[in-house]
Amino acid sequence: GQSLEQPSEVTAVEGAIVQINCTYQTSGFYGLSWYQQHDGGAPTFLSYNALDGLEETGRFSSFLSRSDSYGYLLLQELQMKDSASYFCAVITGANNLFFGTGTRLTVIP
Amino acid sequence: GAGVSQTPSNKVTEKGKYVELRCDPISGHTALYWYRQSLGQGPEFLIYFQGTGAADDSGLPNDRFFAVRPEGSVSTLKIQRTERGDSAVYLCASSPKGLAGVTGELFFGEGSRLTVL
Repeated sequence: GQSLEQPSEVTAVEGAIVQINCTYQTSGFYGLSWYQQHDGGAPTFLSYNALDGLEETGRFSSFLSRSDSYGYLLLQELQMKDSASYFCAVITGANNLFFGTGTRLTVIP
Repeated sequence: GAGVSQTPSNKVTEKGKYVELRCDPISGHTALYWYRQSLGQGPEFLIYFQGTGAADDSGLPNDRFFAVRPEGSVSTLKIQRTERGDSAVYLCASSPKGLAGVTGELFFGEGSRLTVL
């Protein structure tokens, strides 16, 4: 089976930087994805790491350490619209994708 | 269509009834996934199709749940003898082909909110 752990809630100030951690246990690991979901909306893809290291996409960066079964999502220059739930998800060898329980980010002025 | 389309957007039914939820994936996407999401939780995997066949149905909770994709495009999730615990948002997603080592990206629909009274 798969197990993913994320903090349940994070609060940060507008303009700041926040890091959301994810640790996982799975078999057949191929990569780690991150998704954003606003209340009542669909999950939308943010980033993907298949190899160790940092991937940067604008204000968002994602990091993976396969040896530590650990990754994180880094959000810089936080904006109010970044308030949402963020999910890490592992991709297994069966081309399947399993989500964590999510981290609810609240950005305050 | 431009995105993944799911119908109905909302469905209210009574305990014991039969329900069908439809998903129309992005044109050309061969992989199709169904997830279930309860309030405050992450999407829970149900079933994954590659083409017409179910590549992995290990997430279906019991034999009341069944899904088909007869022509490799539209998929229908079928729930028999609904129970109050089946109330959730059912999400459908598609991708061009396999995820592993490629893009890691699924394209999600807005979901079908099922309420069982």
